[in-house]
Amino acid sequence: EVQLVQSGGGLVQPGGSLRLSCAASGFTFSTYWMSWVRQAPGKGLEWVANIKQDGSEKNYVDSVKGRFTISRDNAKNSLYLQMNRLRVEDTAVYYCARDVEYNYFDYWGQGTLVPVSS
Amino acid sequence: DIVLTQSPDSLAVSLGERATISCKSSQNILYSSNNKNYLAWYKQKPGQPPKLLIYWASTRESGVPDRFSGSGSGTDFTLTISSLQAEDVAVYYCQHYYNTPRTFGQGTKVEIK
Repeated sequence: EVQLVQSGGGLVQPGGSLRLSCAASGFTFSTYWMSWVRQAPGKGLEWVANIKQDGSEKNYVDSVKGRFTISRDNAKNSLYLQMNRLRVEDTAVYYCARDVEYNYFDYWGQGTLVPVSS
Repeated sequence: DIVLTQSPDSLAVSLGERATISCKSSQNILYSSNNKNYLAWYKQKPGQPPKLLIYWASTRESGVPDRFSGSGSGTDFTLTISSLQAEDVAVYYCQHYYNTPRTFGQGTKVEIK
């Protein structure tokens, strides 16, 4: 059974940093692209970033470029999102998702809330 | 960026009746080289992550009931629930994967009338 279990969320002040983690199991993690998708409270979905199987290619939505860094550790079957210089508008539930060949998302983590507030 | 516009924003349908959701793309998302439409549909219940229903505009994900179907091509797409069940109450999103950034529609809330 494919599982994506997230950790690392929590309240952070504007300008602060936070690292999200996503532990994968039930599939060969190293053979899949992986993504982060977020959802502001009461709002729709926004793709944030993705990373190629070997970590050699990373892509970001413009609003987080230069502030967020996606990474992975295939030996640990884990995906990460390092978020720096956080803004109030980054407040959202963040989901990790299995990214099918840089197309659609077929499995999602449970989500982790990141409130950015002073 | 490609903008996906869903309509309606919400709809109320009686149990057993048909529900139809539209998703219109600001650009053609049919890739001519493989004749595939780069569009997916998701269902999201409150407090849960989205669930993949349909990809390539009309291919149903494994385990998804056959009352869910996707159609359309180019810029106009439709998700149809042929006979609404109580468990179908949710918000539905379309998503393109034609280029980066991949974007989602604003969502359509489906309720029971």
